[in-house]
Amino acid sequence: EVQLVQSGAEVKKPGESLKISCKGSGYSFTSQWVGWVRQMPGKGLEWMGSIYPGDSDTRYSPSFQGQVTISADKSISTAYLQWSSLKASDTAMYYCARQIRRDGPNDYWGQGTLVTVSS
Amino acid sequence: DIQLTQSPSFLSASVGDRVTITCRASQAISSYLAWYQQKPGKAPKLLIYAVSTLQSGVPSRFSGSGFGTEFTLTISSLQPEDFATYYCQQLNSYPWTFGQGTKVEIK
Repeated sequence: EVQLVQSGAEVKKPGESLKISCKGSGYSFTSQWVGWVRQMPGKGLEWMGSIYPGDSDTRYSPSFQGQVTISADKSISTAYLQWSSLKASDTAMYYCARQIRRDGPNDYWGQGTLVTVSS
Repeated sequence: DIQLTQSPSFLSASVGDRVTITCRASQAISSYLAWYQQKPGKAPKLLIYAVSTLQSGVPSRFSGSGFGTEFTLTISSLQPEDFATYYCQQLNSYPWTFGQGTKVEIK
């Protein structure tokens, strides 16, 4: 069974760093792209970027380029999303999701990680 | 960036109704269009990709059509479990974008 299991909710202060994770199982983690999607409270979905764990090829949305870093450790089938300096506006639910193919939609999703940034 | 505009943003319907949601792209996206369903507090669920290909396990009352810049998601007979928010997504060119969502509520 394909599963993506994300790390738990986080509460951080502005300026702090954070790295959340997404562990894949039940499929060949290195062979399919994994994307990250943001959903701010009460708002819609925003594609942040995607990574191919096999060679760490990464694509970013211009809206998020330079604001976050997407990475993966294929030895433990885990993708990451990290911030070096959080802002209150980063408060959101973040989902990781497997892609059917490089230019394909997301067929399996993690349960989401709620990040709250507040002083 | 390619903008996707869904209409309506909100619709109220009854069980058994035929429901159609439209997604218009700011430029042609060929067949790189997917639809998702999201229920409150849950991750989105893929319904349809490549405009009209039904994802495995999705009921056949869901269907998709369109090409170029205009696409539709149709639910042939709305069921109680279909009340949710629906999003379209284009994967024709980076950055991939989503429509703003259509919330389907019970009349």
